[in-house]
Amino acid sequence: DIQVTQSPSTLSASVGDTVTITCRASQTIMTWLAWYQQKPGEAPKLLIHKASTLVTGVPSRFTGSGFGTEFTLTISDLQPDDFATYHCLQYNALFTFGPGTKLDFK
Amino acid sequence: QLVESGGGLAQPGGSLRLSCAASGFIFSDFDMHWVRQVAGQGLEWVSTIEPAGETYYAGSVKGRFTISRENANNSLYLHMTGLRAGDTAKYYCVRGAETAHLDVWGKGTAVTVS
Repeated sequence: DIQVTQSPSTLSASVGDTVTITCRASQTIMTWLAWYQQKPGEAPKLLIHKASTLVTGVPSRFTGSGFGTEFTLTISDLQPDDFATYHCLQYNALFTFGPGTKLDFK
Repeated sequence: QLVESGGGLAQPGGSLRLSCAASGFIFSDFDMHWVRQVAGQGLEWVSTIEPAGETYYAGSVKGRFTISRENANNSLYLHMTGLRAGDTAKYYCVRGAETAHLDVWGKGTAVTVS
């Protein structure tokens, strides 16, 4: 089974900041990685798939990158609506989620 | 749109069947999944069923849960048996996109085993 780690587990930031979240897979997953945003009481929302493909309607301040085993989600110019929990998902071999990163106000 | 139902309270060792009604897309063309989330924790993939019926399970539920689908009725199911306290979670019905990532999510249905 492919294991996925995510760091940091929590991240404190302010509006206007740029933040980066990292996901690492235990073996290569090529670019088969997606990022989701989840707010309390809501279902996850797909932001990025295939490591760097932004979903239609998602602001361009969200950027995904990476290949193989290390991936990053960068959020530039943080907006109040961006404070949420972020999950990564590998889908190269079945499916494994990272443990999540909670982004909160500093 | 995906709408789950069937969640509720079950006793340890008991059974529940979750349902998911799909609309707005050609259900029979897509992989479908169940993903669960314990309150305050991360997401866990549970099971997948392909359009033709091939199924896959997480190790934590294999042998206890059965995923199925009725393409004619645009419906997905998860039959859960041998329930344990650790199965307590919100269960989401999720569509698999053509490029295999999980794209459309239902709002979830809560299962409590106690």
